[in-house]
Amino acid sequence: DTAVSQTPKYLVTQMGNDKSIKCEQNLGHDTMYWYKQDSKKFLKIMFSYNNKELIINETVPNRFSPKSPDKAHLNLHINSLELGDSAVYFCASNSRFYEQYFGPGTRLTVT
Amino acid sequence: GEDVEQSLFLSVREGDSSVINCTYTDSSSTYLYWYKQEPGAGLQLLTYIFSNMDMKQDQRLTVLLNKKDKHLSLRIADTQTGDSAIYFCAESGNTDKLIFGTGTRLQVFP
Repeated sequence: DTAVSQTPKYLVTQMGNDKSIKCEQNLGHDTMYWYKQDSKKFLKIMFSYNNKELIINETVPNRFSPKSPDKAHLNLHINSLELGDSAVYFCASNSRFYEQYFGPGTRLTVT
Repeated sequence: GEDVEQSLFLSVREGDSSVINCTYTDSSSTYLYWYKQEPGAGLQLLTYIFSNMDMKQDQRLTVLLNKKDKHLSLRIADTQTGDSAIYFCAESGNTDKLIFGTGTRLQVFP
């Protein structure tokens, strides 16, 4: 059974396009996150939502907009994609903050 | 600001022990974690330690925390080739925001 799933796994697109990455968790968790991992494997939090409410919003360009239609889903929409957006994006969720479960990641390549 | 540092690489022989080190700056850290990332995969939580503990053991894994020096280590006993991965140290304070270290790439050779 998949706990935290993301689609797509790979996404290749051109600069200037708009794209979305979807995340779903079937663990019944209240809190979900988006993280960005760059080419040097550095991992940084972008957003967190608790019960559909935005809790953490790090210094992320406003071209990135998270959307949580319900507490099991947290999607990430990116407008006007730039080369520097190329990275692996991880979704995560938890119910107790010391146990975060990560999805498999979405590798975004902007050409 | 918060900062978490790790050495980038560690190479060990199969069967030996591996020790991965981490230092952090946030004195209000509540939980400290070790995550494992295998190639092309997401992060897997290996273990965590509460800041009022100084040691935690879980099968082959031993976590040591020196709160005074803000130093965390992960010891893997009897390291196997399947342990080859990137290991991330992370800390969280009073919120659920995780601050990750730079990751240590562990290579196990026969």
